Amino acid sequence: DAKTTQPNSMESNEEEPVHLPCNHSTISGTDYIHWYRQLPSQGPEYVIHGLTSNVNNRMASLAIAEDRKSSTLILHRATLRDAAVYYCILSPLIQGAQKLVFGQGTRLTINP
Amino acid sequence: EADIYQTPRYLVIGTGKKITLECSQTMGHDKMYWYQQDPGMELHLIHYSYGVNSTEKGDLSSESTVSRIRTEHFPLTLESARPSHTSQYLCASNRGQTQYFGPGTRLLVL
Repeated sequence: DAKTTQPNSMESNEEEPVHLPCNHSTISGTDYIHWYRQLPSQGPEYVIHGLTSNVNNRMASLAIAEDRKSSTLILHRATLRDAAVYYCILSPLIQGAQKLVFGQGTRLTINP
Repeated sequence: EADIYQTPRYLVIGTGKKITLECSQTMGHDKMYWYQQDPGMELHLIHYSYGVNSTEKGDLSSESTVSRIRTEHFPLTLESARPSHTSQYLCASNRGQTQYFGPGTRLLVL
Protein backbone atom coordinates (compact mmCIF):
# COMPACT_ATOMS: atom_id res chain seq x y z
CA ASP A 1 0.00 0.00 0.00
CA ALA A 2 1.26 3.47 -0.85
CA LYS A 3 2.12 5.44 2.29
CA THR A 4 1.42 8.98 3.33
CA THR A 5 3.45 11.31 5.54
CA GLN A 6 1.80 13.97 7.67
CA PRO A 7 3.04 16.23 10.47
CA ASN A 8 2.20 14.82 13.90
CA SER A 9 0.52 18.00 15.05
CA MET A 10 -0.47 21.49 13.96
CA GLU A 11 -1.95 24.46 15.71
CA SER A 12 -4.06 27.29 14.39
CA ASN A 13 -6.35 30.04 15.57
CA GLU A 14 -10.08 30.20 15.35
CA GLU A 15 -11.49 31.83 12.20
CA GLU A 16 -8.17 31.53 10.36
CA PRO A 17 -7.48 29.23 7.41
CA VAL A 18 -5.66 25.97 8.06
CA HIS A 19 -3.50 24.13 5.54
CA LEU A 20 -2.84 20.50 6.39
CA PRO A 21 -0.10 18.94 4.23
CA CYS A 22 0.28 15.35 3.12
CA ASN A 23 3.13 13.77 1.17
CA HIS A 24 2.52 10.65 -0.89
CA SER A 25 5.50 10.30 -3.19
CA THR A 26 4.75 6.64 -4.05
CA ILE A 27 1.16 7.27 -5.14
CA SER A 28 0.02 5.20 -8.11
CA GLY A 29 -2.08 6.38 -11.00
CA THR A 30 -5.26 4.79 -9.70
CA ASP A 31 -4.96 5.95 -6.08
CA TYR A 32 -7.55 8.37 -4.79
CA ILE A 33 -6.51 10.78 -2.04
CA HIS A 34 -8.93 10.66 0.87
CA TRP A 35 -9.14 12.79 3.98
CA TYR A 36 -10.96 11.72 7.11
CA ARG A 37 -11.02 13.30 10.52
CA GLN A 38 -11.69 11.90 13.95
CA LEU A 39 -13.09 14.14 16.63
CA PRO A 40 -12.43 13.19 20.26
CA SER A 41 -14.38 10.09 21.35
CA GLN A 42 -15.99 9.63 17.93
CA GLY A 43 -15.54 7.46 14.86
CA PRO A 44 -13.76 8.87 11.81
CA GLU A 45 -15.71 11.19 9.54
CA TYR A 46 -15.26 11.59 5.79
CA VAL A 47 -14.00 15.03 4.80
CA ILE A 48 -13.13 15.00 1.10
CA HIS A 49 -11.43 12.99 -1.64
CA GLY A 50 -9.93 13.60 -5.06
CA LEU A 51 -7.94 12.04 -7.85
CA THR A 52 -6.18 14.73 -9.90
CA SER A 53 -8.12 17.97 -9.81
CA ASN A 54 -8.66 20.23 -6.83
CA VAL A 55 -11.93 19.58 -5.03
CA ASN A 56 -14.23 21.69 -2.91
CA ASN A 57 -17.12 20.77 -0.66
CA ARG A 58 -18.95 22.35 2.23
CA MET A 59 -16.36 21.14 4.73
CA ALA A 60 -13.04 21.82 3.04
CA SER A 61 -10.97 22.10 -0.11
CA LEU A 62 -8.41 19.65 -1.39
CA ALA A 63 -5.47 20.95 -3.38
CA ILE A 64 -3.56 18.26 -5.27
CA ALA A 65 -0.08 18.90 -6.65
CA GLU A 66 0.33 18.52 -10.37
CA ASP A 67 2.61 15.49 -9.95
CA ARG A 68 0.19 14.12 -7.31
CA LYS A 69 3.04 13.47 -4.89
CA SER A 70 1.52 15.77 -2.30
CA SER A 71 -1.79 17.31 -1.36
CA THR A 72 -3.13 19.88 1.07
CA LEU A 73 -6.40 19.90 2.95
CA ILE A 74 -7.64 23.45 3.42
CA LEU A 75 -10.08 24.47 6.11
CA HIS A 76 -11.05 27.96 5.08
CA ARG A 77 -12.13 29.28 8.44
CA ALA A 78 -11.33 27.03 11.38
CA THR A 79 -13.68 26.71 14.30
CA LEU A 80 -13.15 25.04 17.66
CA ARG A 81 -15.21 22.14 16.35
CA ASP A 82 -12.53 21.44 13.75
CA ALA A 83 -10.11 20.27 16.43
CA ALA A 84 -9.50 16.64 15.51
CA VAL A 85 -7.01 14.16 14.12
CA TYR A 86 -6.90 14.46 10.32
CA TYR A 87 -5.95 11.44 8.25
CA CYS A 88 -4.67 11.50 4.69
CA ILE A 89 -5.23 8.09 3.08
CA LEU A 90 -4.58 6.65 -0.36
CA SER A 91 -7.04 4.15 -1.72
CA PRO A 92 -7.18 2.66 -5.20
CA LEU A 93 -10.24 2.74 -7.37
CA ILE A 94 -12.61 0.33 -5.72
CA GLN A 95 -12.92 -3.04 -7.29
CA GLY A 96 -13.69 -4.78 -4.07
CA ALA A 97 -13.57 -3.75 -0.47
CA GLN A 98 -12.14 -0.32 0.29
CA LYS A 99 -9.49 -1.25 2.83
CA LEU A 100 -8.45 2.10 4.26
CA VAL A 101 -5.04 2.19 5.95
CA PHE A 102 -5.00 4.84 8.67
CA GLY A 103 -1.67 6.29 9.76
CA GLN A 104 -1.00 8.48 12.79
CA GLY A 105 -2.60 11.51 11.17
CA THR A 106 -2.18 15.17 12.15
CA ARG A 107 -3.61 16.30 15.45
CA LEU A 108 -5.04 19.79 14.83
CA THR A 109 -5.46 22.12 17.77
CA ILE A 110 -7.56 25.27 17.35
CA ASN A 111 -6.92 28.15 19.72
CA PRO A 112 -9.83 30.45 20.61
CA GLU B 1 -25.71 12.20 8.05
CA ALA B 2 -24.69 8.55 8.09
CA ASP B 3 -27.10 5.96 9.46
CA ILE B 4 -24.78 3.47 11.05
CA TYR B 5 -25.25 2.35 14.62
CA GLN B 6 -23.22 0.45 17.17
CA THR B 7 -24.28 -1.05 20.47
CA PRO B 8 -23.29 -1.03 23.19
CA ARG B 9 -21.30 2.20 23.22
CA TYR B 10 -19.42 1.11 26.34
CA LEU B 11 -18.92 -2.37 27.78
CA VAL B 12 -17.06 -3.50 30.87
CA ILE B 13 -16.88 -7.25 31.19
CA GLY B 14 -14.93 -9.96 32.97
CA THR B 15 -12.36 -12.28 31.47
CA GLY B 16 -13.76 -15.38 29.78
CA LYS B 17 -17.15 -13.95 28.90
CA LYS B 18 -18.58 -14.20 25.39
CA ILE B 19 -19.51 -10.85 23.90
CA THR B 20 -21.13 -9.65 20.70
CA LEU B 21 -20.73 -6.12 19.45
CA GLU B 22 -23.59 -5.03 17.24
CA CYS B 23 -23.34 -2.93 14.09
CA SER B 24 -26.19 -2.02 11.78
CA GLN B 25 -26.68 0.37 8.90
CA THR B 26 -29.81 1.49 7.11
CA MET B 27 -28.15 2.71 3.92
CA GLY B 28 -28.29 -0.60 2.07
CA HIS B 29 -24.51 -0.72 1.72
CA ASP B 30 -23.03 -4.04 0.65
CA LYS B 31 -19.54 -3.49 2.05
CA MET B 32 -18.98 -3.32 5.76
CA TYR B 33 -15.86 -3.17 7.94
CA TRP B 34 -14.62 -3.55 11.51
CA TYR B 35 -11.63 -1.55 12.74
CA GLN B 36 -9.85 -1.75 16.07
CA GLN B 37 -8.27 1.30 17.70
CA ASP B 38 -6.29 1.25 20.91
CA PRO B 39 -6.27 4.56 22.85
CA GLY B 40 -4.21 7.19 21.07
CA MET B 41 -3.22 4.75 18.36
CA GLU B 42 -4.03 4.11 14.71
CA LEU B 43 -7.10 2.33 13.40
CA HIS B 44 -6.50 -1.15 12.04
CA LEU B 45 -8.85 -3.13 9.83
CA ILE B 46 -9.71 -6.49 11.43
CA HIS B 47 -12.67 -7.75 9.35
CA TYR B 48 -14.64 -6.81 6.27
CA SER B 49 -17.51 -8.09 4.18
CA TYR B 50 -18.46 -7.69 0.52
CA GLY B 51 -22.08 -8.57 1.22
CA VAL B 52 -24.36 -11.24 2.65
CA ASN B 53 -22.52 -14.48 3.50
CA SER B 54 -19.15 -12.87 2.77
CA THR B 55 -16.55 -12.27 5.49
CA GLU B 56 -12.82 -11.67 5.21
CA LYS B 57 -10.00 -11.07 7.66
CA GLY B 58 -8.38 -7.67 7.64
CA ASP B 59 -4.79 -6.55 7.92
CA LEU B 60 -4.57 -6.94 11.71
CA SER B 61 -4.98 -10.42 13.13
CA SER B 62 -7.86 -10.64 15.57
CA GLU B 63 -9.34 -13.39 17.71
CA SER B 64 -12.79 -12.04 17.02
CA THR B 65 -15.19 -13.45 14.43
CA VAL B 66 -17.89 -11.82 12.33
CA SER B 67 -20.98 -12.86 10.45
CA ARG B 68 -23.10 -11.28 7.72
CA ILE B 69 -26.49 -12.91 7.46
CA ARG B 70 -28.35 -9.71 6.58
CA THR B 71 -27.14 -6.76 4.53
CA GLU B 72 -27.78 -4.27 7.30
CA HIS B 73 -26.21 -6.22 10.14
CA PHE B 74 -22.53 -7.07 10.79
CA PRO B 75 -21.96 -8.29 14.36
CA LEU B 76 -18.54 -9.01 15.87
CA THR B 77 -18.11 -11.75 18.47
CA LEU B 78 -15.42 -12.56 20.99
CA GLU B 79 -15.92 -16.11 22.32
CA SER B 80 -13.80 -15.58 25.41
CA ALA B 81 -12.87 -12.02 26.26
CA ARG B 82 -9.38 -11.26 27.61
CA PRO B 83 -7.78 -8.05 28.90
CA SER B 84 -5.77 -7.86 25.67
CA HIS B 85 -9.07 -7.32 23.84
CA THR B 86 -9.56 -4.00 25.61
CA SER B 87 -9.87 -1.46 22.83
CA GLN B 88 -12.28 0.61 20.77
CA TYR B 89 -14.08 -1.22 17.97
CA LEU B 90 -15.37 0.84 15.04
CA CYS B 91 -17.78 -0.36 12.39
CA ALA B 92 -18.06 1.22 8.94
CA SER B 93 -19.83 0.73 5.62
CA ASN B 94 -19.41 2.14 2.15
CA ARG B 95 -20.73 2.36 -1.35
CA GLY B 96 -18.52 4.32 -3.67
CA GLN B 97 -15.60 6.28 -2.32
CA THR B 98 -16.93 7.27 1.10
CA GLN B 99 -16.82 5.17 4.25
CA TYR B 100 -19.30 5.95 6.97
CA PHE B 101 -18.28 5.11 10.52
CA GLY B 102 -20.33 4.31 13.55
CA PRO B 103 -19.62 5.92 16.93
CA GLY B 104 -17.65 2.90 18.15
CA THR B 105 -17.83 0.53 21.11
CA ARG B 106 -15.32 1.00 23.91
CA LEU B 107 -14.58 -2.39 25.43
CA LEU B 108 -12.85 -2.91 28.76
CA VAL B 109 -12.08 -6.48 29.79
CA LEU B 110 -11.14 -6.90 33.43
